[in-house]
Amino acid sequence: EDKVVQSPLSLVVHEGDTVTLNCSYEVTNFRSLLWYKQEKKAPTFLFMLTSSGIEKKSGRLSSILDKKELSSILNITATQTGDSAIYLCAVEEGNAGGTSYGKLTFGQGTILTVHP
Amino acid sequence: ETGVTQTPRHLVMGMTNKKSLKCEQHLGHNAMYWYKQSAKKPLELMFVYNFKEQTENNSVPSRFSPECPNSSHLFLHLHTLQPEDSALYLCASSQAQGVWTYEQYFGPGTRLTVT
Repeated sequence: EDKVVQSPLSLVVHEGDTVTLNCSYEVTNFRSLLWYKQEKKAPTFLFMLTSSGIEKKSGRLSSILDKKELSSILNITATQTGDSAIYLCAVEEGNAGGTSYGKLTFGQGTILTVHP
Repeated sequence: ETGVTQTPRHLVMGMTNKKSLKCEQHLGHNAMYWYKQSAKKPLELMFVYNFKEQTENNSVPSRFSPECPNSSHLFLHLHTLQPEDSALYLCASSQAQGVWTYEQYFGPGTRLTVT
């Protein structure tokens, strides 16, 4: 059965710290890995990583996909209180022919708390 | 404002009621999704629609019935629910092109409580 595991489950840091969130996966016919930030209700999209795009960066956030290790990390530098949220990792599985249908399997999330 | 709206935002219903959740996307996407988020459980995919056709039913009980009349609207019809169906129901949409499906954008969700 497909599986996505995130670690740690929760993390408490102070403003200015750098954090690294982990995601490991076991899926058949991997297509992409996505990171989302969920503050109150709607998860908001951060990054999508594929075989042709294994590293993404946006401001203080960056993410790397390691297809050999079947894992990804999300880095946040110089954390701010506004970074407090649940960070979700999701992996998309395609069919045997390589077509994707948006079938995402989510991990349980990492709860990040940033104190002033 | 994510471009995906859901109504109602909160719903309380008895086990014998029939209600519907509505989702609308204003992003020009052609794929839509229903997810269930229960406390202390990962987000769980329920249904996928590509170009108005259902392409995935993730072993969802028949008391949940989806409907996708066009690429912009998605409904989830509910009947004879159980208390364990209480959860946050999230709708999402994405662009599907050729063999690729791109990132999904989520609505704010409907908080459902079954009494």
